[in-house]
Amino acid sequence: NAGVTQTPKFQVLKTGQSMTLQCAQDMNHNSMYWYRQDPGMGLRLIYYSASEGTTDKGEVPNGYNVSRLNKREFSLRLESAAPSQTSVYFCASSEFNSGSQETQYFGPGTRLLVL
Amino acid sequence: AQSVTQLDSHVSVSEGTPVLLRCNYSSSYSPSLFWYVQHPNKGLQLLLKYTSAATLVKGINGFEAEFKKSETSFHLTKPSAHMSDAAEYFCVVTSNQAGTALIFGKGTTLSVSS
Repeated sequence: NAGVTQTPKFQVLKTGQSMTLQCAQDMNHNSMYWYRQDPGMGLRLIYYSASEGTTDKGEVPNGYNVSRLNKREFSLRLESAAPSQTSVYFCASSEFNSGSQETQYFGPGTRLLVL
Repeated sequence: AQSVTQLDSHVSVSEGTPVLLRCNYSSSYSPSLFWYVQHPNKGLQLLLKYTSAATLVKGINGFEAEFKKSETSFHLTKPSAHMSDAAEYFCVVTSNQAGTALIFGKGTTLSVSS
């Protein structure tokens, strides 16, 4: 049981390049999330998927797209990377997207540097 | 709408002394509240959560937090700090409405000196 896995762990991009961050969970969770973490800002939600086949914007969705490929996998795509997207990206999952059952389990993170 | 404020960005304690990390919240609905810990270069780990059962919640590694509705607070405490407690701590709020996401505080960095 690996929990939540993310690839890659590190990535350096040039401005304008595109890339996809991969996330997978093996806990049979319904809901998955993408966050970014910046110094002094805590974690901010980019997009989430409450259940397979649905996705919704979070607090900071601009410049990103997501795909809930199946129940296990939720990818985050940067179509044209900008230096402002330099951050640490965390994927998380939870059994349900609802209050008391909202314990989220986090992956180890992807560190992205955009030059 | 939900929001959470961590009142200290940095707390320093000596090993063996008590830890207090302060958190105030705002929520339009009955909230669920969480504390997560992040050790350097690691992902986030759930310490404890409050979901409208007992107001005093015990978590892992000797941490506990008390939900005080009248004060809209959910402070994290530990009687005796250990060097391994040095990390960043996040207070998190969500409502019990389906479809609402977690709202994270900006974090408190805990330093523990010997």
